[in-house]
Order: sequence, then C-alpha cells, then structure tokens
Amino acid sequence: AQRVTQPEKLLSVFKGAPVELKCNYSYSGSPELFWYVQYSRQRLQLLLRHISRESIKGFTADLNKGETSFHLKKPFAQEEDSAMYYCALYNFNKFYFGSGTKLNVKP
Amino acid sequence: GAVVSQHPSRVICKSGTSVKIECRSLDFQATTMFWYRQFPKQSLMLMATSNEGSKATYEQGVEKDKFLINHASLTLSTLTVTSAHPEDSSFYICSARDMGRGLYEQYFGPGTRLTVT
Repeated sequence: AQRVTQPEKLLSVFKGAPVELKCNYSYSGSPELFWYVQYSRQRLQLLLRHISRESIKGFTADLNKGETSFHLKKPFAQEEDSAMYYCALYNFNKFYFGSGTKLNVKP
Repeated sequence: GAVVSQHPSRVICKSGTSVKIECRSLDFQATTMFWYRQFPKQSLMLMATSNEGSKATYEQGVEKDKFLINHASLTLSTLTVTSAHPEDSSFYICSARDMGRGLYEQYFGPGTRLTVT
C-alpha cells in the first residue's frame, strides 16, 4: 500500500538559512510525487511536481528512488515561505497526502 | 483561472440533521472531483472520488450511505452528510481535476467547516 510520511510536524529556521522538508514514501511502482503548500488562510495549492523537475519560488525537490524520498529544499528561506507543506503521492487516479510540515521562517 | 469554490464555508447543524456541501469548478470542466476530510493538525484524508455521471468511489472505511456524493454536472459535486453526529465535525475539502491541463492537475476549494452540536 502507498504511504507518505513527513516526519517533522514543525520546522523553524531563520531567514536566509537553508531549509529541507523531508518526505518519504512507500510505493512499489514508479511514483508520481508532488509538493503542495497552504499559506495562512488560503487554500491548498500545488507547489511543484517531480516529473517537471522545476524550481518554484526557489524550491526544488529531487526524487530519490533508492531512499524512497522526495525532500523539498530551498537554499535561502524567506519569511513569506512560512506555511504548511504537504507531500503527496499520486496513484491510480488518487492523491495520498502526508501529514504535513509547518515551516516557520523567523526574521 | 482554475478556481474551485465551496459552499457553505461554515455550517453548524444539530445532531441528526443532514448537511449538503457544494463544490463547484468555476471556469473549467471537472470530470473528476475529490472529497477530503481534514482533522485538526492532521493531513487530508481522501474520502471519495466523484466522477461526473457515475457513482462515486469511496475509500475504505468511509460510509457511502452516510456521506452521499452526487456529481450531476461537469462543474458541480455535492457531499451530503446524513444524520450528522458530533464526530462528523471536521473540515471538508474538495478538489477538482482540470483534464484540459493534464492528468495531475487538481485545484482545491477553500474548505467547509462543519460543526455538529
């Protein structure tokens, strides 16, 4: 069965520091993985997807099949990055979400 | 573009009554909509997948007779919580897939806060 694990409920960093939000998954096939973000009082929105290999708002995520991980990284965190981040796996027409990590970027 | 609305945003109802929540795709057609439930400080739990013109597919452990889903048009899906109980109090979120933008694109509604007293 597929499962997405985000081990950190809360991650606090100072502005300008690097940030890495961890995501591990369990899935037997070739996964399709995503990061979603929810800013305060806003709806959930797609941040990036692994198949696009894109960088959005300075964030990148690399799929590591050996470690079954899809960690989200940003070299220099900004205060506006403070939000809830959810890792999600797509399988058979459904999305499965991790429990989320709250990122708090301090000034 | 790609906006999804939900109505109502908040609802309080008495135990034993039914509540209907609407999910609309405002500027695109959504053949598939998803209904999630989110408990405080927890993740989104997929409840069911709603397909236009056919019966919804429910996740294991979700009572289909309690959570009635209807997807009668390409822009509207409804979730009816029947005979609501306090344990049904939660945050319900829908999302809609815009097939015109690709298989993985889904857009989320703002959510509905249900409180059953």
